[in-house]
Amino acid sequence: ETGVTQTPRHLVMGMTNKKSLKCEQHLGHNAMYWYKQSAKKPLELMFVYNFKEQTENNSVPSRFSPECPNSSHLFLHLHTLQPEDSALYLCASSQVQENTEAFFGQGTRLTVV
Amino acid sequence: QQPVQSPQAVILREGEDAVINCSSSKALYSVHWYRQKHGEAPVFLMILLKGGEQKGHDKISASFNEKKQQSSLYLTASQLSYSGTYFCGTGTTSGTYKYIFGTGTRLKVLA
Repeated sequence: ETGVTQTPRHLVMGMTNKKSLKCEQHLGHNAMYWYKQSAKKPLELMFVYNFKEQTENNSVPSRFSPECPNSSHLFLHLHTLQPEDSALYLCASSQVQENTEAFFGQGTRLTVV
Repeated sequence: QQPVQSPQAVILREGEDAVINCSSSKALYSVHWYRQKHGEAPVFLMILLKGGEQKGHDKISASFNEKKQQSSLYLTASQLSYSGTYFCGTGTTSGTYKYIFGTGTRLKVLA
């Protein structure tokens, strides 16, 4: 148990579907992040939220839409995805403070068919 | 730009040592190391806050050369449980607080 919980753990969706990934942290952190991890590739930062405000969108296509209703919850809304979007999506949280570590959720394994 | 790690992959026998390097083209103000086992979340190992610092716990240690913008992770007398992918990372406050991770090193320890 890392204190960061992601649901669902696995998701298979068609290219015309709409789905959402959920992330919840119980660590009292004020920063949350979405990362994409494709097979044999590095962790790619997608979105950053500091104090519930989106502070970075790392050139992510608009078919990915994040939402952060409060400092404990983060969503990633998905629609009209492509097969190349299949990957492990990791949520992380931290304090907005230098020299502190990030805590990761277990990830959602997404397969787009 | 992501820090670059080397080697990309390494296979060891139990009891052997390994070194994983992390090099950045930008200034590093701190270095984090994480390990991710297959199908699991990355787990924080340690953080180095200033140049010249060395840290370790158990048989895993790290060093940070701030001037060279490099860090190295040392695994001695490796155990089966060390298998996984290792990432270096850095926290940055340029504009927004976020973590950028390195390219990753896949480590496999064989019995």
